[in-house]
Amino acid sequence: DTAVSQTPKYLVTQMGNDKSIKCEQNLGHDTMYWYKQDSKKFLKIMFSYNNKELIINETVPNRFSPKSPDKAHLNLHINSLELGDSAVYFCASSHSLAGGQFFGPGTRLTVL
Amino acid sequence: QKEVEQNSGPLSVPEGAIASLNCTYSDRGSQSFFWYRQYSGKSPELIMSIYSNGDKEDGRFTAQLNKASQYVSLLIRDSQPSDSATYLCAVNRRDGTASKLTFGTGTRLQVTL
Repeated sequence: DTAVSQTPKYLVTQMGNDKSIKCEQNLGHDTMYWYKQDSKKFLKIMFSYNNKELIINETVPNRFSPKSPDKAHLNLHINSLELGDSAVYFCASSHSLAGGQFFGPGTRLTVL
Repeated sequence: QKEVEQNSGPLSVPEGAIASLNCTYSDRGSQSFFWYRQYSGKSPELIMSIYSNGDKEDGRFTAQLNKASQYVSLLIRDSQPSDSATYLCAVNRRDGTASKLTFGTGTRLQVTL
């Protein structure tokens, strides 16, 4: 199946821990993104990579560090997790910078 | 003023009717416009994109864009219960090598039997 995939689907962890979320797309897209959707369902961009280069960093705390080992993968590492980090994190990809974005299934992060 | 504004709803329409969803945006430099459908607990799904003024039709969906009024709408003809979801308007502005998609808060649509 051609798609954007994310692992894990659910992540429950304690405050202060470090965790990673992985994303892969097999659509051949050049651009990948991380979004956060909070409890009020507002979807906000965090990072964007184009051809492995970081092009958008939306005032996200530096506890969040994205890494793109190649065009098909964009991972998100979060240090020192806080209660406010609880949300659903979506990875997305697009063919071009102006094109529509295709979303992965999301990772529901719960920080206790 | 929010960058992308939508009425949160719920918008309730009877089965078979036309559902009309509206969105306004503040940035006149916006270049591409999208509608996403999000079912509860699922990821946003791209259903329409529109890049120039006018109407664009795809099956039961019609997107309308008016850049002068900074207004985008989505019409769903012959609404079905399976159309019940939250519809997110998204607006893209390209600035050099960066391109940022800004979402509205979504309109919840309920199609009643």
